[in-house]
Amino acid sequence: QVQLVESGGGVVQPGRSLRLSCATSGFTFSNYDMHWVRQAPGKGLEWVAVIWHDGNKKYCADSVKGRFTISRDNSRNTLYLQMNSLRAEDTAVYFCARRSGVWWLRDHYYSMDVWGQGTTVTVSS
Amino acid sequence: EIVLMQSPGTLSLSPGERATLSCRASQSVSSDYLAWYQQKPGQAPRLLIYGASSRATGIPDRFSGSGSGTHFTLIISRLEPEDFAVYYCQQFGSSPPLWTFGQGTKVEIK
Repeated sequence: QVQLVESGGGVVQPGRSLRLSCATSGFTFSNYDMHWVRQAPGKGLEWVAVIWHDGNKKYCADSVKGRFTISRDNSRNTLYLQMNSLRAEDTAVYFCARRSGVWWLRDHYYSMDVWGQGTTVTVSS
Repeated sequence: EIVLMQSPGTLSLSPGERATLSCRASQSVSSDYLAWYQQKPGQAPRLLIYGASSRATGIPDRFSGSGSGTHFTLIISRLEPEDFAVYYCQQFGSSPPLWTFGQGTKVEIK
């Protein structure tokens, strides 16, 4: 079945870096745009970044611009989030999510239909 | 940037009752761009509705979405015990592409 499994979370000091991974299976990864979404403790959902199916376009939220980089390896069916210059306010559960609809139907779908279980990032000294 | 405001913050209802959740946008949003999610404690969100009114795969027909422009609604016609959760609306903004979520509505057992 379709599955997304995040890893790489942990406790990190402010200013340090961390790389999250999202291993996927059960679907043709290279056909889908992919997102990262985060959720601070006790808070709502915050979209972080998206990457197009072929990696050629990437967009991110202003809150992480210049610090976080989304990437993917279609040969490994894996999505990544490189997080640099981490701040306390980056503490959250990070979810990877699949954009609904394959890339050639991109203009018809703007939701996220499959989610991983999340990986927790804690930024603290 | 379009801001989504959900109301009420908390809805206290009994199983079998009807739940009406509101999502208002600070600017007009295309219906194609509006989705709803359900999230239970300790779990990932689950897509319920996309395109404002289309149910996602496997979603029971007691969930329905409607609306246009700046006001969208999620209705749960008869609450089942498993429906008590937090619900989020989400929209897409096209220039540049970005996604935003409302702050959520918690549906709790009365």
